[in-house]
Amino acid sequence: GQSLEQPSEVTAVEGAIVQINCTYQTSGFYGLSWYQQHDGGAPTFLSYNGLDGLEETGRFSSFLSRSDSYGYLLLQELQMKDSASYFCALGPGANNLFFGTGTRLTVIP
Amino acid sequence: GAGVSQSPSNKVTEKGKDVELRCDPISGHTALYWYRQRLGQGLEFLIYFQGNSAPDKSGLPSDRFSAERTGESVSTLTIQRTQQEDSAVYLCASSVNRGRETQYFGPGTRLLVL
Repeated sequence: GQSLEQPSEVTAVEGAIVQINCTYQTSGFYGLSWYQQHDGGAPTFLSYNGLDGLEETGRFSSFLSRSDSYGYLLLQELQMKDSASYFCALGPGANNLFFGTGTRLTVIP
Repeated sequence: GAGVSQSPSNKVTEKGKDVELRCDPISGHTALYWYRQRLGQGLEFLIYFQGNSAPDKSGLPSDRFSAERTGESVSTLTIQRTQQEDSAVYLCASSVNRGRETQYFGPGTRLLVL
């Protein structure tokens, strides 16, 4: 089977840096994706790691270590609008994404 | 269209009734996915279409759930004899092709079964 673990809640200060960790178990690996979802909104794609290492997209970076079955999302220069839920997901694989339960990030002034 | 659209945006129904949820994917996207998200939870995969075929129905929770896709475009998710545990947001996503392609999500249909 597959499983993902992420912290349920994280709080950080505006302008700071926050790291959201994700550990996983899977028999077949197709990469790790990160999605952002604001309350009442649709998930939107942030980043994908198919190989080990760091992927950077503006203020967001994502890291993967396949040997450790571990990844993280790094958000820099936090803004109030970054308050949202962040999901790591195994895949996209052959057919679908397998999502974790999400981390609710609250950015405070 | 510019993005994935879904209708209705909200649906309230009585237990035992049937409901149909519609998804219009991004034009040209051959792969289409349905997910379910219960309040405060992650997304649960339901079914995947490649073209008009559904090679993976493994996530459908029961035989009350079915889906079809026509014209390699619009898809309909049907829930028969709805139960209260079916209350959730149903999200549709599409991607250019199957495999390791970014999935683009619609805004979802919020279903409440009374």
